[in-house]
Amino acid sequence: QVQLQESGPGLVKSSETVSLTCSVSGAAISRNYWSWIRQPPGKGLEWIGYIYNNGVTKYNPSLKSRVTISVDTSKNQCSLTLRSMTAADTAVYYCARGDLKFDYWGQGTLVTVSS
Amino acid sequence: QSVLTQPPSASGPPGQRVTISCSGGTSNIGSHTVNWFQQLPGTAPKLLIFSNNQRPSGVPDRFSGSKSGTSASLAISGLQSEDEADYYCAAWDDSLNVLFGGGTKLTVL
Repeated sequence: QVQLQESGPGLVKSSETVSLTCSVSGAAISRNYWSWIRQPPGKGLEWIGYIYNNGVTKYNPSLKSRVTISVDTSKNQCSLTLRSMTAADTAVYYCARGDLKFDYWGQGTLVTVSS
Repeated sequence: QSVLTQPPSASGPPGQRVTISCSGGTSNIGSHTVNWFQQLPGTAPKLLIFSNNQRPSGVPDRFSGSKSGTSASLAISGLQSEDEADYYCAAWDDSLNVLFGGGTKLTVL
């Protein structure tokens, strides 16, 4: 059974950088696509980007300048770094397997940006 | 405002059939497959339909998907109270971006 678990700081200050980690069990991090998707409170879903093959990435053009997604194969983890955070980045951040067929999701982690 | 347009809400009594639409353009739905996700309150989204009309293992056949031109639809027959959720369509876009619809809140009356 594939399981994903996001972790990271629940609160960050405006202009700071947030780093989130997705720990994966039941699937090899090196052999799948791994995406990050976010959902502002009470709003819809927004795809942030994906990584596959240990380093090939694709990002949402609207976030590309601020985002980095990476993997740590030794820990079977995927990470998201989002720089220059603003209140508009307050959201639940999900990791999911896939590049569109998101068949496994983590439970999500809420990141709140404070001023 | 999402590039993939969904009605904000839909409803129906138990047992009825409801349809949720997802309208896009030639650069997304018109050129790529559509997936649908169900998000129950307080939980992560769940894959409901992939490749326009394929159901993952475990998804009841009450759920079906279709696509025609630049639009897609999700149909739910035999509506049940546990179907009350938010539903999202998603598709790749030629701008190299995954797009989600704005979501449809389904209420079972």
